[in-house]
Amino acid sequence: GEDVEQSLFLSVREGDSSVINCTYTDSSSTYLYWYKQEPGAGLQLLTYIFSNMDMKQDQRLTVLLNKKDKHLSLRIADTQTGDSAIYFCAESSDSGYSTLTFGKGTMLLVSP
Amino acid sequence: SQTIHQWPATLVQPVGSPLSLECTVEGTSNPNLYWYRQAAGRGLQLLFYSVGIGQISSEVPQNLSASRPQDRQFILSSKKLLLSDSGFYLCAQRRGSDTQYFGPGTRLTVL
Repeated sequence: GEDVEQSLFLSVREGDSSVINCTYTDSSSTYLYWYKQEPGAGLQLLTYIFSNMDMKQDQRLTVLLNKKDKHLSLRIADTQTGDSAIYFCAESSDSGYSTLTFGKGTMLLVSP
Repeated sequence: SQTIHQWPATLVQPVGSPLSLECTVEGTSNPNLYWYRQAAGRGLQLLFYSVGIGQISSEVPQNLSASRPQDRQFILSSKKLLLSDSGFYLCAQRRGSDTQYFGPGTRLTVL
């Protein structure tokens, strides 16, 4: 079955770069996603990458995809305290109904 | 613009009581809608999805059911809640190419 794995916790200092990693198993995934969840809130779509791309950059966010190793990463440049949240990696399944499989989330803690 | 509403925001219910959570969307027609549950310390689990009125697909057999009585309304229900039903319930809508956007969620505590 499909599985998405993430490390559970990452701590960085304000101004540093953060790199959150994710591995997935479904080689037929069409899209891979990064979502952000702040305490008590729903999920906010940060960015996504199509499976035939290697990299996508959007302001402070850089997504790298290694399809051979089924590895996805999210790099946040110049991390701010407001970036503290849980970050979820997700892949689209091949069900035809756009169902997503999520990792358990990585809690990012940014200290001043 | 498209907006997703969830009601209520928080809910505390006793074991054995019924449940009804509502999700409504604005600004679109015939959306694909999804119910997820986020239990403490765990990722999101897809519970149900719907591609149209009266069309429900269940991903995980459990104590819950879903209904789609109107095009932009998706309801999650239970006849008798269990302690294990506690969690954060999120409704999502598909937009564009395989992208899902989430509502604000409902925090359910079963005592």
